[in-house]
Amino acid sequence: AQSVTQLDSQVPVFEEAPVELRCNYSSSVSVYLFWYVQYPNQGLQLLLKYLSGSTLVESINGFEAEFNKSQTSFHLRKPSVHISDTAEYFCAVSPGGTSYGKLTFGQGTILTVHP
Amino acid sequence: DTGVSQNPRHKITKRGQNVTFRCDPISEHNRLYWYRQTLGQGPEFLTYFQNEAQLEKSRLLSDRFSAERPKGSFSTLEIQRTEQGDSAMYLCASSSTYILAKNIQYFGAGTRLSVL
Repeated sequence: AQSVTQLDSQVPVFEEAPVELRCNYSSSVSVYLFWYVQYPNQGLQLLLKYLSGSTLVESINGFEAEFNKSQTSFHLRKPSVHISDTAEYFCAVSPGGTSYGKLTFGQGTILTVHP
Repeated sequence: DTGVSQNPRHKITKRGQNVTFRCDPISEHNRLYWYRQTLGQGPEFLTYFQNEAQLEKSRLLSDRFSAERPKGSFSTLEIQRTEQGDSAMYLCASSSTYILAKNIQYFGAGTRLSVL
């Protein structure tokens, strides 16, 4: 079984400041890792994923996350945030390899970007 | 590719009534998942199908809940004798096992259920 802990329920930041949203996971098997974003009144959108290969993965809108197997973490970072990044962010894990299936989500982190 | 479609978007019902939700996955996706999201929480897995076969069910899925995917395309989730605790957003997602980028699940906008 897998579990995910998002260490901050809310993160307020000012526009153009850097931000880190923390995610730790627990699993007895290899995993795939994901970050999803949910804007107000919208569905979940995939932000980025780690399946294999390079441990640093990037999204098209400037976010990046690094898979750290020894620390069982997959923190999300952005060097300079915009007002439009205000949303709720969910870290998720699934079994990797041929056992992949359901996603286990963290509780979510609400990122609020202030002008 | 029109994305994952869920209907209805909102459902208000009285306690004890039955409700049914529909999910239409992305057309070439053979896996379909149901999740439930309550306020302030992340989505919780309910069940998933590969084609028409239901491969896994969560313990959260009580006997009042039933899901079907009869032809391996759309799916329905029925809740019988609804309770106030069933009030939540019900999310559907789909993915494909036939492409390299496996288990990338695409979500619909959800059906918000309110039980009065």
